[in-house]
Amino acid sequence: QKEVEQNSGPLSVPEGAIASLNCTYSDRGSQSFFWYRQYSGKSPELIMFIYSNGDKEDGRFTAQLNKASQYVSLLIRDSQPSDSATYLCAAHTGGFKTIFGAGTRLFVKA
Amino acid sequence: DARVTQTPRHKVTEMGQEVTMRCQPILGHNTVFWYRQTMMQGLELLAYFRNRAPLDDSGMPKDRFSAEMPDATLATLKIQPSEPRDSAVYFCASGLVSGSLGTGQYFGPGTRLTVT
Repeated sequence: QKEVEQNSGPLSVPEGAIASLNCTYSDRGSQSFFWYRQYSGKSPELIMFIYSNGDKEDGRFTAQLNKASQYVSLLIRDSQPSDSATYLCAAHTGGFKTIFGAGTRLFVKA
Repeated sequence: DARVTQTPRHKVTEMGQEVTMRCQPILGHNTVFWYRQTMMQGLELLAYFRNRAPLDDSGMPKDRFSAEMPDATLATLKIQPSEPRDSAVYFCASGLVSGSLGTGQYFGPGTRLTVT
């Protein structure tokens, strides 16, 4: 069973702090990794994707990938109350199938 | 601003009735996905298509669910007969895959289905 694991949270951070969200995946054949944000009652929204080991930055967001450890993370700098949402990690496996984690709920306290 | 559209947005039906959900993917995307989301199970992949061809529908209850893509602008998900346990939010998503790498999926607003 190919899986993507995330801590369900909730993760609570103060406004302005760095939020760190983590994810592990079981399929070593996975080649693409994604982070989605989902507000309550809304559909998932793509934030970032990463293919290569290392860091990828986009504005306040940094995705990190370590294929040897099968680990993906998302850092949110200068967290804002509007960042409060559920963050879904996803791995794109062979055959273009995407496996989603159950999501981590993030609360940013003003 | 290109978006995935889904209809209907809400559907309430009685057990045993047929339900059809429709999706218009983003023009130019070559993959289409159907997901179901519940509080208990999270986001479950039901089926997906590449270039309109079904690649995997192993996530669907075969006896009652069917997914098709009659043309590049329309994907459908049908449930017949519907059961109360089918109550969930159904999302359609589309994306662009080149080679073995994808650039992510863009989700529609979802269809909230309630089966009584």
